[in-house]
Order: sequence, then C-alpha cells, then structure tokens
Amino acid sequence: SQKIEQNSEALNIQEGKTATLTCNYTNYSPAYLQWYRQDPGRGPVFLLLIRENEKEKRKERLKVTFDTTLKQSLFHITASQPADSATYLCALGQYSSASKIIFGSGTRLSIRP
Amino acid sequence: SAVISQKPSRDICQRGTSLTIQCQVDSQVTMMFWYRQQPGQSLTLIATANQGSEATYESGFVIDKFPISRPNLTFSTLTVSNMSPEDSSIYLCSVGDGTTQETQYFGPGTRLLVL
Repeated sequence: SQKIEQNSEALNIQEGKTATLTCNYTNYSPAYLQWYRQDPGRGPVFLLLIRENEKEKRKERLKVTFDTTLKQSLFHITASQPADSATYLCALGQYSSASKIIFGSGTRLSIRP
Repeated sequence: SAVISQKPSRDICQRGTSLTIQCQVDSQVTMMFWYRQQPGQSLTLIATANQGSEATYESGFVIDKFPISRPNLTFSTLTVSNMSPEDSSIYLCSVGDGTTQETQYFGPGTRLLVL
C-alpha cells in the first residue's frame, strides 16, 4: 500500500540555522508533491508545490527538492526563526485522481532562540 | 485562495449521539473534501462532496456513519453519527484550487471529543 514517511516526529533547531525536513514515499508515483504548514488548532496551510519534472522550487526562505528516483523530497527553511515553529506536512497527488491527495503524518519543528 | 469557516470549532459529546459539522466557503467550488486527523496522525480523506450528487466515500468510511450534505456550491455538512470515543478527532473540510485541484485550502477544523 502507499506509504509516506516524514523523517521524524519532532525536530529542534537553533534559530538562524537551516532546518531540513525529509519526506519519503513508497508504492506511489506522484505527479506532484506539496508541503503544508499546520499550527496547533488550525488547518494546514499550503506552502509549496513541486511537480515530478521539477528538481527544485524556492519561495523566499523555503526550498523544496524532489527526487523521483530516490522517492524523496527535502524541505529546507533557511535562516530559521522561532515563528517557523509548526508541524510541516508533505502530501502527494496525481492528476488522474485529483481529489486523493495523500498526506504524511508531519514533522513538528521547533526553533529555539 | 479560498476562505473557509467551520462550525463548531470544538465540541464534547456523549457516546451514541450525533454531531453535524458545517463548512462554509467564501466562493463557489465544485468539490469539497472532508478529512479526519487523529492525534499525531496524518490527514485521512473521508469523502469528496460534489454539489448535486452523492458524496464519494473512501475505503473504511460509510455513508451511514458519516452522512454528508452538499446543498449548494458554498456549503457542506458532515455528520458523525452514533459516536464512540474512537471518533474523537479533528475534522477538517477543504476545497481545491481552480480546475486542477492540486492545492487544497483547509478550514480551521472541528475538534471533537467523545466521552
């Protein structure tokens, strides 16, 4: 069955450092991969989308890579700030089944001052 | 993007009762989605609600337990029926963007505790 694994349940990073989160998947061939941010008591908020034919995507301090051979995505936050503390979810989707986006369980990121 | 509101934001219910969750979107959308997020778990799709047709349920979810209404293009309800403590979870509605539905916009969620 399809499976998404995010590297760890929790990650603690010193402010100013680069946070790197990992998303691995098996038994799936996604057309695109997304990253969402979720704060406590709130719904997920879309951050970035990267398609299968793209290697890297950037948005401000965020960078996402997508390696379909390794079946892995890396999500980087550079110059991390305490305000970046949240749970980050990766999600996979296929155009043939647009409604069935599959989510990972998330990594809880804490940035300490 | 879309702005989505949900009611109630949280509730505590007794087992055996039912709760109806409302989801309102600020624009007309074709598909609305209902998810469940149990503590420490990923989001699991319950069903897709299209206006004017029956909802499509994912494996493990049935209409008798989670009836859904979709009376118009901006509103949907999810009912959690005959609740048990195992139904304690966060329930989220979402809508997709435009025609591709690649990106989803989520409501704030309804936190349900069943005693």
